[in-house]
Amino acid sequence: EDQVTQSPEALRLQEGESSSLNCSYTVSGLRGLFWYRQDPGKGPEFLFTLYSAGEEKEKERLKATLTKKESFLHITAPKPEDSATYLCAVQGRESQGNLIFGKGTKLSVKP
Amino acid sequence: EPEVTQTPSHQVTQMGQEVILRCVPISNHLYFYWYRQILGQKVEFLVSFYNNEISEKSEIFDDQFSVERPDGSNFTLKIRSTKLEDSAMYFCASSVTTGELFFGEGSRLTVL
Repeated sequence: EDQVTQSPEALRLQEGESSSLNCSYTVSGLRGLFWYRQDPGKGPEFLFTLYSAGEEKEKERLKATLTKKESFLHITAPKPEDSATYLCAVQGRESQGNLIFGKGTKLSVKP
Repeated sequence: EPEVTQTPSHQVTQMGQEVILRCVPISNHLYFYWYRQILGQKVEFLVSFYNNEISEKSEIFDDQFSVERPDGSNFTLKIRSTKLEDSAMYFCASSVTTGELFFGEGSRLTVL
């Protein structure tokens, strides 16, 4: 069964304190791994797609990496506006748009 | 920037009533989806729609659910007879291919 597990569930950082979020996955043939940001009461906002092990993507203070079993979202020198829940999702090779989401990591960045 | 728009933002209904949630996907997207998120839980896939037919659906998407693209712009989710457990945030999404999905802001459904 396809599955996504994210850790930690919650993370509190001071502004400027870099850290990483983990996404472990099992899927029958990975078509893509996706990172989304979700603010309270809002829809997921697309951040990155990763397709194969070794791939990396960057956007501002965020960098996503992928191995055969997990993905990391590295946050460098975070700011309070980076506070949100970060969701990881995978799509299997046979999927027609069925993304399997993890429960997310709730990030709080204090000034 | 193009976005997926959803209406209503919040709907309160009585158990057993029919509800229609509406979505306007991004204009050049070909694939459309509905997901839901029960409060405090994961985002869950309901259904994907392409070329005017359902391409994939989950176990959640039973006979009380239906989707329709009644015209060239709208995409709707109908729940025929709502149950208490249907209370959730419903997200519409669209994509160019079956890859990167772009989500709307959601419609919060409260069933009393």
